[in-house]
Amino acid sequence: AQSVTQLDSQVPVFEEAPVELRCNYSSSVSVYLFWYVQYPNQGLQLLLKYLSGSTLVKGINGFEAEFNKSQTSFHLRKPSVHISDTAEYFCAVTLSGTYKYIFGTGTRLKVLA
Amino acid sequence: DAGVIQSPRHEVTEMGQEVTLRCKLISGHNSLFWYRQTMMRGLELLIYFNNNVPIDDSGMPEDRFSAKMPNASFSTLKIQPSEPRDSAVYFCASSSTGSSGNTIYFGEGSWLTVV
Repeated sequence: AQSVTQLDSQVPVFEEAPVELRCNYSSSVSVYLFWYVQYPNQGLQLLLKYLSGSTLVKGINGFEAEFNKSQTSFHLRKPSVHISDTAEYFCAVTLSGTYKYIFGTGTRLKVLA
Repeated sequence: DAGVIQSPRHEVTEMGQEVTLRCKLISGHNSLFWYRQTMMRGLELLIYFNNNVPIDDSGMPEDRFSAKMPNASFSTLKIQPSEPRDSAVYFCASSSTGSSGNTIYFGEGSWLTVV
């Protein structure tokens, strides 16, 4: 069965510093990969997704992620964070041809002034 | 375009009472998901509908939970009777086909507290 692991439950970082949020998945078949962001008291919204093609995916708000099949990873990066990026970030995976999204446990990004 | 609309946003109820959560899908979407989010268990899929038909309800915790989709744009999630352990944020989400690779759009959630 597929699974998603977000190794870091919390990541504090200073404003304007770079950040990487890690996501590893486990699956023996093709997957689609997603990053969602949840701001306080709100629902989840899509940051970016990888379906096929270029392994570097660019999303909203300056975020990008790189699909690495050999390492089964889909880490999220931003070169310079803002206070407004403080939120919880979820990595998710679906198997090709299915509807079921498997979400990671989330990483709480806290941007410090 | 209006997103997924959920109501109520906040509900505080006493143990044993019936709770009904409501969801309006994005126009044109035909797949509906109900998720529950808690600190202990994270995001859990409760039930998935496609074209108004429940496809997967394996995540529904027990018979106290029921979900319906009386028409293509509206769904309800009912808990009867409610218990304190049902306290959570309940999210409704929709997508255009329900197949993998399609973005699912979340509502802002219904924050349920059962005392």
